Amino acid sequence: EAGVVQSPRYKIIEKKQPVAFWCNPISGHNTLYWYRQNLGQGPELLIRYENEEAVDDSQLPKDRFSAERLKGVDSTLKIQPAELGDSAVYLCASSLADTRSYEQYFGPGTRLTVT
Amino acid sequence: GQSLEQPSEVTAVEGAIVQINCTYQTSGFYGLSWYQQHDGGAPTFLSYNALDGLEETGRFSSFLSRSDSYGYLLLQELQMKDSASYFCAVRDGNYGQNFVFGPGTRLSVLP
Repeated sequence: EAGVVQSPRYKIIEKKQPVAFWCNPISGHNTLYWYRQNLGQGPELLIRYENEEAVDDSQLPKDRFSAERLKGVDSTLKIQPAELGDSAVYLCASSLADTRSYEQYFGPGTRLTVT
Repeated sequence: GQSLEQPSEVTAVEGAIVQINCTYQTSGFYGLSWYQQHDGGAPTFLSYNALDGLEETGRFSSFLSRSDSYGYLLLQELQMKDSASYFCAVRDGNYGQNFVFGPGTRLSVLP
């Protein structure tokens, strides 16, 4: 079974530029999460999807961040324009919507550097 | 709001036993998870406790006391490959689908 796939793995951009991250969750996983992880800290939830519906985006900075999950499978997270403080690892995770919904599977992440 | 506390660093030698504690304060609580993350890698699921008591999975065990808002991860027979960061995460929110992660504990296993 393939794991959670993310691309790109690394991205370096100048501030004020746009950037997008892509995530393909494990097949059959209804729930998809986007997290941001700063160096030396735990992941922080940005947005959670149940199928194609964003059920919790309360932590997403909506002035510059946007996300979508078309057809309830792949998801894209976008930042426009990027700021220096956005430098972090962006992690995508997925889980089943059943009795094991507490077990999240994480992708390798996209390491973003804003210069 | 929610807050979790973990020791920032723990050091132990190969073959030893180490315990990583986690205390939490949340407005709602469904369970406590533990994840392992090697440098540059993805967090991987280790265990989950919804009820009080000890859950054992091989060399790793996890404990939860809901009345004390406290849990711990116990690693036995430490190996060099166990050197990593360990995160506790509280499951809360509507229908228990949101996870709030702790700051992480960096474990160093020495030969």
